[in-house]
Amino acid sequence: GQNIDQPTEMTATEGAIVQINCTYQTSGFNGLFWYQQHAGEAPTFLSYNVLDGLEEKGRFSSFLSRSKGYSYLLLKELQMKDSASYLCAVHRDDKIIFGKGTRLHILP
Amino acid sequence: SQTIHQWPATLVQPVGSPLSLECTVEGTSNPNLYWYRQAAGRGLQLLFYSVGIGQISSEVPQNLSASRPQDRQFILSSKKLLLSDSGFYLCAWSVGSHTGELFFGEGSRLTVL
Repeated sequence: GQNIDQPTEMTATEGAIVQINCTYQTSGFNGLFWYQQHAGEAPTFLSYNVLDGLEEKGRFSSFLSRSKGYSYLLLKELQMKDSASYLCAVHRDDKIIFGKGTRLHILP
Repeated sequence: SQTIHQWPATLVQPVGSPLSLECTVEGTSNPNLYWYRQAAGRGLQLLFYSVGIGQISSEVPQNLSASRPQDRQFILSSKKLLLSDSGFYLCAWSVGSHTGELFFGEGSRLTVL
């Protein structure tokens, strides 16, 4: 089986930095995804980490530690449009299993 | 370019009625196909996935079923809907089993009354 944990909700201020953590326990691990989902819409791809380390893509960065079963998504220079749910997902064999998501609220 | 479509976009059905949601992918061959459900305030739950025609794996015991009659067509069905089947259903595809990224359809919102 697999266990994916991430905080239910977080709040941050426009222009600030926020880190969303994700821990997982699984066998057959291939990699870890982060997706963004606005209310009522389908998720959109943010990042995919296979190897340990930090990958940066504009204002968003994602980190993976395979030995610790740990990942985080770092969002810089927060904008109001970043208010959304952020989903951590484990890629295992042919399946992609999602955590329950972290709802991020951005305050002006 | 690849595209994915699912329909209908919204559906209101009485308890006990049948269900059929359809998903098609264009612009790729032999995709992995997935059905997810997202209940209100909850995460994405993997229901079914398929790595080829006629090959369906079920993740959660339930009154739903899936079929893949053609390479790029994935259908989610139920003979008798329950109230608990209400939710946002998402079809998705990916290339192969190790390259990863999921591409989602627009979603189908089902309300069972």
